[in-house]
Amino acid sequence: GQNIDQPTEMTATEGAIVQINCTYQTSGFNGLFWYQQHAGEAPTFLSYNVLDGLEEKGRFSSFLSRSKGYSYLLLKELQMKDSASYLCAVQDSNYQLIWGAGTKLIIKP
Amino acid sequence: GAVVSQHPSRVICKSGTSVKIECRSLDFQATTMFWYRQFPKQSLMLMATSNEGSKATYEQGVEKDKFLINHASLTLSTLTVTSAHPEDSSFYICSALGQNYNEQFFGPGTRLTVL
Repeated sequence: GQNIDQPTEMTATEGAIVQINCTYQTSGFNGLFWYQQHAGEAPTFLSYNVLDGLEEKGRFSSFLSRSKGYSYLLLKELQMKDSASYLCAVQDSNYQLIWGAGTKLIIKP
Repeated sequence: GAVVSQHPSRVICKSGTSVKIECRSLDFQATTMFWYRQFPKQSLMLMATSNEGSKATYEQGVEKDKFLINHASLTLSTLTVTSAHPEDSSFYICSALGQNYNEQFFGPGTRLTVL
């Protein structure tokens, strides 16, 4: 079957760094996405990885290892506005997204 | 990035009525659009894949006669919730597949409340 796992909830301190892990088992792979979703809003795109390695974009970085079926999202210099759910999604061979359950990130002052 | 709009953003209706939600790609043509439903504190659940000019493909457990999808043009897909009931109350989100196929652009979502 198809499965994407990520932690349910994480807590971090403002200004710190947090890493959100995602492991996946899917039929077909056309890339892995990270989305941020604030309560009551649609997801917003953060990053896309299709090749192994690290993609850096400002305070956010995303890493992919296809052989291990593993990705992480790294958030640096955390701000209170980063409190949100972070969704890991894998695009399968039909270009559909298979979603993880999301990680709720709580930022404390 | 590409822009996708949804209308209405919120709708409250009585049980038994039908509600239509529109999803538009504003600055690109989308041959494929997706409809998701999200219940509180849960992840997005794919309901159906909408392809322009053909019938939608529904996920297992989604009633195609209840959730009517029409993708009549390359920039518009509609989802009609027929005979809505309180258990249909949810956040409905559409997305459009980009021309490079490597990103889905999401609409802002529609909050449906059925009384």
